[in-house]
Amino acid sequence: SQQGEEDPQALSIQEGENATMNCSYKTSINNLQWYRQNSGRGLVHLILIRSNEREKHSGRLRVTLDTSKKSSSLLITASRAADTASYFCATDAGTSGSRLTFGEGTQLTVNP
Amino acid sequence: GAVVSQHPSWVICKSGTSVKIECRSLDFQATTMFWYRQFPKQSLMLMATSNEGSKATYEQGVEKDKFLINHASLTLSTLTVTSAHPEDSSFYICSARAAWETQYFGPGTRLLVL
Repeated sequence: SQQGEEDPQALSIQEGENATMNCSYKTSINNLQWYRQNSGRGLVHLILIRSNEREKHSGRLRVTLDTSKKSSSLLITASRAADTASYFCATDAGTSGSRLTFGEGTQLTVNP
Repeated sequence: GAVVSQHPSWVICKSGTSVKIECRSLDFQATTMFWYRQFPKQSLMLMATSNEGSKATYEQGVEKDKFLINHASLTLSTLTVTSAHPEDSSFYICSARAAWETQYFGPGTRLLVL
């Protein structure tokens, strides 16, 4: 399986609820990044968390990283219909020109 | 924030023809550019990594003679799909990285080979 595995594969919630997505990986990393992709579009960078960081916030986003469990979570608080998209985690092992390895993604649907 | 553009945004071509896709970093110099391929409802798969002025590094299973990559300047990389076939139909996305860690992605190019 890929370096990044995401859970759940699909998540459907109501507007105003919180959405939590998880990502697990296998090898040591330099950093982990979360991206959002609207259908048929490019990726938008959301947040980067380094291996020596445990938690990071950006607006309604909260990312945690547990290197001992090789896992990360993305929490979107007070979700909006506009948050509907696919969310991918990507790991940077810090080698080979900092290539990213993407997880399978979580399809989030926020119902109005 | 950093902006990466791709051109064209979509292309339809006949089987056997070659298609060139451009990736440009508009407001920063990209030391490294990456090319990804994405099939419907799947994740991104890295095809190759290119550094300005040097040969691209291709991922295992990606044919370098079929997917020609040229990184002629710090703001431009091109991917040419040679002798395209229907199985090459996909969504191709580039990303660019400067000295910092973040990769910035282009909007993607949808290729349909008939």
